[in-house]
Amino acid sequence: KAGVTQTPRYLIKTRGQQVTLSCSPISGHRSVSWYQQTPGQGLQFLFEYFSETQRNKGNFPGRFSGRQFSNSRSEMNVSTLELGDSALYLCASGGEGYGYTFGSGTRLTVV
Amino acid sequence: QKEVEQNSGPLSVPEGAIASLNCTYSDRGSQSFFWYRQYSGKSPELIMFIYSNGDKEDGRFTAQLNKASQYVSLLIRDSQPSDSATYLCAVKGGSSASKIIFGSGTRLSIRP
Repeated sequence: KAGVTQTPRYLIKTRGQQVTLSCSPISGHRSVSWYQQTPGQGLQFLFEYFSETQRNKGNFPGRFSGRQFSNSRSEMNVSTLELGDSALYLCASGGEGYGYTFGSGTRLTVV
Repeated sequence: QKEVEQNSGPLSVPEGAIASLNCTYSDRGSQSFFWYRQYSGKSPELIMFIYSNGDKEDGRFTAQLNKASQYVSLLIRDSQPSDSATYLCAVKGGSSASKIIFGSGTRLSIRP
């Protein structure tokens, strides 16, 4: 069974640009969550999607957005990038009642 | 107050000993509790989950839950150098509904 696939693995962007990250969950999982991980803040919840609907949202500015498609694949978008957005972005898929399985993450560097 | 609190460590334990990792949470309505292990440069990996008060054992790992005290712990018996990692406690349910909230993690080091 394939795991959670995140693309790309690494990205370097310039301040002010926008970026789109992609996540394909485990087959059959309808829940996809996104987290930002930085050394200082740990794992911070961004949002959760379930059956194409945003079910939960964390405390991030509106520059961070996401969506989920009918095949459960999800994308997150960050507009007007800031230096502080440099982080590891993790996607996790989950079946109901169980913990999440994480993808390998996308390492975003903003310069 | 943080929703999920862990001692950041590092916690240093001799090889073969028991490592004890602790976590407290603030939302009394929380229903599901998870322990993840994260090696440096890797993504978190689920190692245990527990829903009911008491102990749950899986191999060398035992998760303990005390909802009255809002306390979760993870015991690692016969600690091995390969257990050296950051351990993340995570909580689901209550006011956070379906989202999973993570603690900041405890860094565990097993010394030979």
